[in-house]
Amino acid sequence: DAKTTQPTSMDCAEGRAANLPCNHSTISGNEYVYWYRQIHSQGPQYIIHGLKNNETNEMASLIITEDRKSSTLILPHATLRDTAVYYCILGAGGGNKLTFGTGTQLKVEL
Amino acid sequence: KAGVTQTPRYLIKTRGQQVTLSCSPISGHRSVSWYQQTPGQGLQFLFEYFSETQRNKGNFPGRFSGRQFSNSRSEMNVSTLELGDSALYLCASSGQGAVTGELFFGEGSRLTVL
Repeated sequence: DAKTTQPTSMDCAEGRAANLPCNHSTISGNEYVYWYRQIHSQGPQYIIHGLKNNETNEMASLIITEDRKSSTLILPHATLRDTAVYYCILGAGGGNKLTFGTGTQLKVEL
Repeated sequence: KAGVTQTPRYLIKTRGQQVTLSCSPISGHRSVSWYQQTPGQGLQFLFEYFSETQRNKGNFPGRFSGRQFSNSRSEMNVSTLELGDSALYLCASSGQGAVTGELFFGEGSRLTVL
């Protein structure tokens, strides 16, 4: 069973920051928070991941609360091409078995 | 470098038949995972192979099987196909063996069972 909770859908205006929340109140100490997105009819695309500290890469920023029970993915300047389903996933060591939930459908509009 | 390649992209089978799907990972990647995606169940983990050994397995019946070759290419097989096996089958490769890491997904093989 997925151990994360995400809103079903969100809208964002193009050029604005998109902030996608994720709750993971039962996260274990060795579990990382991963974010992937899936654009319609394509395979999922890795975005970013983190354990405790905030992370930033060329695509997005990941903010993890101090108690690690929630996190926020930030797309700083959303474009129409960012319209996709965004998945927040927990993963630990020992392999690449990821449990995908239902994700958040982000719609970026003009 | 080339991404994850899955073949065939589309295929149609009938109930009772069997199907084999192929996945070529990114060069140098030794971990290959398989996922099934359906509208009703979403993305579900099937199994993962690392260095020709199955490392993890999801909750799927024995009709679903896989293997990995010495060059890291992987195949999955579904025998005695059922209508409910209609799905997008996704393969992902990873260069990290010890810790769950960044997965690179292919475009998938879309299977339709009639």
